[in-house]
Amino acid sequence: AAGVIQSPRHLIKEKRETATLKCYPIPRHDTVYWYQQGPGQDPQFLISFYEKMQSDKGSIPDRFSAQQFSDYHSELNMSSLELGDSALYFCASSLEAPESGDRPYSYEQYFGPGTRLTVT
Amino acid sequence: AQKITQTQPGMFVQEKEAVTLDCTYDTSDPSYGLFWYKQPSSGEMIFLIYQGSYDQQNATEGRYSLNFQKARKSANLVISASQLGDSAMYFCAMRGIFSGGYNKLIFGAGTRLAVHP
Repeated sequence: AAGVIQSPRHLIKEKRETATLKCYPIPRHDTVYWYQQGPGQDPQFLISFYEKMQSDKGSIPDRFSAQQFSDYHSELNMSSLELGDSALYFCASSLEAPESGDRPYSYEQYFGPGTRLTVT
Repeated sequence: AQKITQTQPGMFVQEKEAVTLDCTYDTSDPSYGLFWYKQPSSGEMIFLIYQGSYDQQNATEGRYSLNFQKARKSANLVISASQLGDSAMYFCAMRGIFSGGYNKLIFGAGTRLAVHP
């Protein structure tokens, strides 16, 4: 079965540079969530998109922006990178509006493998 | 506000024994889901088990079962017959159930499980 794809898997940037993380959700999934996991911490919600519209926003710095495109892939853009931005960034996708023929719904969010960003 | 509490920073268990990882939660949402994820040292988040707030029976998935006590607001994960490959960080998480993309996961701090031979 297709899974969530994230690219790149690893990224090294210097302070004040910019970075773009990409996420390709599972086909037919209508929602994308972005999470940031700092070293030794639990994942923190950044932002979500439902049907290509921003639906919810968490603790996302103003230096970060994100969007979801017509093909449902999403990109997280990060500017003026700081050392504290070093983290594992997860994208997760889910089907929030299942059709009646879908199998019993578990509300699971399927996580991608993550992008490990290191800012030096 | 939603909150997940995992009070065990670390646990260890002997191989082939059972272990319980604790999770308590707080929410005002009428409908919600509870999840357990496993995160090995490689970093990926692996879904283990889900329990819906209105599910009458405790969820089970192979060696994983969820001891759901709604009145106590607890959702403990039980791993039976532990294996060396179970050594990992385990996160309990919760989300509300609403229409649209408002169902972000709230995670606990995690419990690091070490399985000893």
